[in-house]
Amino acid sequence: KQEVTQIPAALSVPEGENLVLNCSFTDSAIYNLQWFRQDPGKGLTSLLLIQSSQREQTSGRLNASLDKSSGRSTLYIAASQPGDSATYLCAVSFTGGGNKLTFGTGTQLKVEL
Amino acid sequence: GAVVSQHPSRVICKSGTSVKIECRSLDFQATTMFWYRQFPKKSLMLMATSNEGSKATYEQGVEKDKFLINHASLTLSTLTVTSAHPEDSSFYICSASGAGGADTQYFGPGTRLTVL
Repeated sequence: KQEVTQIPAALSVPEGENLVLNCSFTDSAIYNLQWFRQDPGKGLTSLLLIQSSQREQTSGRLNASLDKSSGRSTLYIAASQPGDSATYLCAVSFTGGGNKLTFGTGTQLKVEL
Repeated sequence: GAVVSQHPSRVICKSGTSVKIECRSLDFQATTMFWYRQFPKKSLMLMATSNEGSKATYEQGVEKDKFLINHASLTLSTLTVTSAHPEDSSFYICSASGAGGADTQYFGPGTRLTVL
């Protein structure tokens, strides 16, 4: 079964700290992997999309890496801010899945002043 | 660009009634739309995939007679929860693809359904 898991489930850090969120997937045959942000009671905001042929993507203070062989991706957030507080979701499009996304369980991040 | 809207954003209904949720792609033609369900503090679970003009493909365990999906045009898909029960209370999110890179899904803001 193709599954996506994320650790930790929750994380609380002081403002300014650099942090890493982890995502793992059980099948290395992927089409792409995305990281999303979800604020409470809201929809999803796409942060970064990494194609299977890529190793990483960067956007501002965010950097996402992909290691297909080990079935892992990380989202690195530099110099965290209270506005970064949200739930971060990792989603994988597995090969042959017809563009379906399998979501991870999410990491709830709180950045404190 | 690539904006997806959902209506209503929040709905409360009585048990036994049916509720319709709309998902619209505002500035692009969505060849494929997806419907997800999210329980509190849980991840998104794909319910079904719909392509314009054809029947939706439901995920295992999702009752197609319970959750009716219609994708009648390239900009509109609807999810109807029939004979709703309290256990159907959830956050329903749609996404649409077809803008630019065909593999990118653009997500709606979600609809909070509460069944009393």
